[in-house]
Amino acid sequence: QKEVEQDPGPLSVPEGAIVSLNCTYSNSAFQYFMWYRQYSRKGPELLMYTYSSGNKEDGRFTAQVDKSSKYISLFIRDSQPSDSATYLCAMSATGSARQLTFGSGTQLTVLP
Amino acid sequence: DGGITQSPKYLFRKEGQNVTLSCEQNLNHDAMYWYRQDPGQGLRLIYYSQIVNDFQKGDIAEGYSVSREKKESFPLTVTSAQKNPTAFYLCASSPRQAQRNQPQHFGDGTRLSIL
Repeated sequence: QKEVEQDPGPLSVPEGAIVSLNCTYSNSAFQYFMWYRQYSRKGPELLMYTYSSGNKEDGRFTAQVDKSSKYISLFIRDSQPSDSATYLCAMSATGSARQLTFGSGTQLTVLP
Repeated sequence: DGGITQSPKYLFRKEGQNVTLSCEQNLNHDAMYWYRQDPGQGLRLIYYSQIVNDFQKGDIAEGYSVSREKKESFPLTVTSAQKNPTAFYLCASSPRQAQRNQPQHFGDGTRLSIL
């Protein structure tokens, strides 16, 4: 079993829909949680960074962490075609960038 | 503009050949990393360096080598010992390890294929 599980999709939604992306994990020591967006043939870019449990909002993006269930989510409101990308979750026990564990990514397409 | 430059964008390797992937950053970051990305798998850490002239193996270092002679540069050599080198290689950098909540910045990758 992988330490971090992420549904690879692909996921297709109409423009304006609310998108929910999720990861589950098995290591209860994880405390730092990240979401990256990766466009085709590009490197990942950091979208959200959260510590421990709770919600964090940034514009149309909301990250949720439920440590009791070992489950994290990224919500995208009013999705746009420009949101079409692969979304990677990543997590760490120490906050150290050299100890990140990544999910395999979910491919999202927002249809105009 | 500050960022990470990886070159070349595409690279082809013949059997028995070593190839070197370039990574340069002008973000003044101390730490640099190399990852491998395969379809259906997350990013896996090959090597990382926290400071000039020092580097550490990651989870999948076999068949790879690195050097860190300058703060700005962290080249990766894929040796002939790496039997399955076809992948997307990503270089990243971040500020000093001791500072938490410091995100990694990624380059746009090099796609390596076998001829």
